[in-house]
Amino acid sequence: DTAVSQTPKYLVTQMGNDKSIKCEQNLGHDTMYWYKQDSKKFLKIMFSYNNKELIINETVPNRFSPKSPDKAHLNLHINSLELGDSAVYFCASSQEVGQVDLQETQYFGPGTRLLVL
Amino acid sequence: GQNIDQPTEMTATEGAIVQINCTYQTSGFNGLFWYQQHAGEAPTFLSYNVLDGLEEKGRFSSFLSRSKGYSYLLLKELQMKDSASYLCAVMDSNYQLIWGAGTKLIIKP
Repeated sequence: DTAVSQTPKYLVTQMGNDKSIKCEQNLGHDTMYWYKQDSKKFLKIMFSYNNKELIINETVPNRFSPKSPDKAHLNLHINSLELGDSAVYFCASSQEVGQVDLQETQYFGPGTRLLVL
Repeated sequence: GQNIDQPTEMTATEGAIVQINCTYQTSGFNGLFWYQQHAGEAPTFLSYNVLDGLEEKGRFSSFLSRSKGYSYLLLKELQMKDSASYLCAVMDSNYQLIWGAGTKLIIKP
């Protein structure tokens, strides 16, 4: 009965490989996010989807491609992995976007620790 | 640019009170969130302020002054399990969360 789940929890791979991280939420939320948290602990938004449509696409390399098959899932595919991609990637979801209230609260998955060698 | 400032690290004693400050400069304001993040875990929601004043929730309280671009998180009756990073985040005019780097709180017996 986990609210926001991600797989895998750990991912160790070689430079140049392609990998995917999956995210699912069972909260019935409309909006999902991908964040990158680097070694300095800054949480940086990468993408946001609302009802399967992309609404935020920050300046990230186009090697990163999100896919939302339905509003409960937001997967992240990364092509040609580089050393600098090593970080913790968090998926999150919120009930609404564009509202000034608690429905904007974001709930996070457990994170995927990516190490590129 | 947009900026969220918090102290990098604070130390407090079990049973005491600690206040973690956050100042922000953002393009617009649609609310301020505090999250707790234990080492190796995900951030978890603590509090939300959109109007000036104090919001109390058990041992934790959060204060907001929009005119000063300032918030604080107050933790009372500190317990060892409160050792964690505390993240301040502001929702800007585009409804995007801008995150601070977090304050690592160390609780000593």
